[in-house]
Amino acid sequence: RKEVEQDPGPFNVPEGATVAFNCTYSNSASQSFFWYRQDCRKEPKLLMSVYSSGNEDGRFTAQLNRASQYISLLIRDSKLSDSATYLCAVNLAGNMLTFGGGTRLMVKP
Amino acid sequence: DTEVTQTPKHLVMGMTNKKSLKCEQHMGHRAMYWYKQKAKKPPELMFVYSYEKLSINESVPSRFSPECPNSSLLNLHLHALQPEDSALYLCASSQEGGGMDTQYFGPGTRLTVL
Repeated sequence: RKEVEQDPGPFNVPEGATVAFNCTYSNSASQSFFWYRQDCRKEPKLLMSVYSSGNEDGRFTAQLNRASQYISLLIRDSKLSDSATYLCAVNLAGNMLTFGGGTRLMVKP
Repeated sequence: DTEVTQTPKHLVMGMTNKKSLKCEQHMGHRAMYWYKQKAKKPPELMFVYSYEKLSINESVPSRFSPECPNSSLLNLHLHALQPEDSALYLCASSQEGGGMDTQYFGPGTRLTVL
């Protein structure tokens, strides 16, 4: 079993749709969790950190479920510019960040 | 300002060349990282420096040699690379290297080994 797993997609959604991604992790002692966005041939850019209480930033909502060992990202009112690969990242131990394989999102007009 | 800079943006080298990748951050971060990313794969951790000391080496071949001259600079020296080492090399930094740190990435160096 991979340490951090994501559905690779692609998720093809129309503009304005709501889309959700999940990411599971194997180490119950993991300390911190993140969602990054990566555009083609660019670096990962931090989208948001994920806290136990959940957090929201505009159209984006992230949740952490420690009991089931997954994190989620919800994107509301999808825009064309949201098309990208979304990487979840988990700090499994110390400062070792492990990434999931990424989920590709394509928002169509 | 969460800026990490990397040079060069692109690098083409032969298998007998020696080259270096450079990374710089001015956020006062004390931990810096090198990642390797192949096409359609996630970034994979190579090295971690914490307070200018190498703290993690993820079994990286010795043809990759990291160096941290000071807290804001990180280099990756390359020698006798193989074509399969062609990838995007990403540098990142974080506040102290602790388990709750957020890592910020530079734009990467796209390396091609001929």
